[in-house]
Amino acid sequence: QKEVEQNSGPLSVPEGAIASLNCTYSDRGSQSFFWYRQYSGKSPELIMFIYSNGDKEDGRFTAQLNKASQYVSLLIRDSQPSDSATYLCAVNPRGATNKLIFGTGTLLAVQP
Amino acid sequence: KAGVTQTPRYLIKTRGQQVTLSCSPISGHRSVSWYQQTPGQGLQFLFEYFSETQRNKGNFPGRFSGRQFSNSRSEMNVSTLELGDSALYLCASNRAGDEQFFGPGTRLTVL
Repeated sequence: QKEVEQNSGPLSVPEGAIASLNCTYSDRGSQSFFWYRQYSGKSPELIMFIYSNGDKEDGRFTAQLNKASQYVSLLIRDSQPSDSATYLCAVNPRGATNKLIFGTGTLLAVQP
Repeated sequence: KAGVTQTPRYLIKTRGQQVTLSCSPISGHRSVSWYQQTPGQGLQFLFEYFSETQRNKGNFPGRFSGRQFSNSRSEMNVSTLELGDSALYLCASNRAGDEQFFGPGTRLTVL
């Protein structure tokens, strides 16, 4: 079992729709959770982080965390073609400061 | 506020050579993490430095090493390069709370 799992996609959504990206993790003691966006040929860019169960909203982005189910998700409302990128889920495992375990990423394609 | 700087941006080496990559974190950040990104393995953690001390290390062979200087700048070194070391090497500048901000990366090609 991989430590952090994501569906590789591609996930295709029409412009203006909600994109839902999912991630599961295996270490129940994981403390913090991150979503990064990576455009082709570029480095990852931090979008959201979440530490507590529930929802966290920032503009068009909402991160959701359910520690009991070991599940974290990212919702992108009003998706735009410029949101087309690979979305990486990252988890900080217990006892390891500043070490992130990344999923393989989900490729999102927003169709105009 | 300046972002994370990595040099060089591109590098071509041959098998058996060694290489040194440099990273300057965001001003005020004292921790730096290094990652390797390849199409097959994705983003993998190499090591993390804080105040010149390595605190965490990933599952890479001893050919991969690093260090951090008193001004928080960090270097990583790969000795005896192999074809499989071809990758994008990313440095992340770490703010308290595990938020990591990545530099543009160094793309290493080993021929």
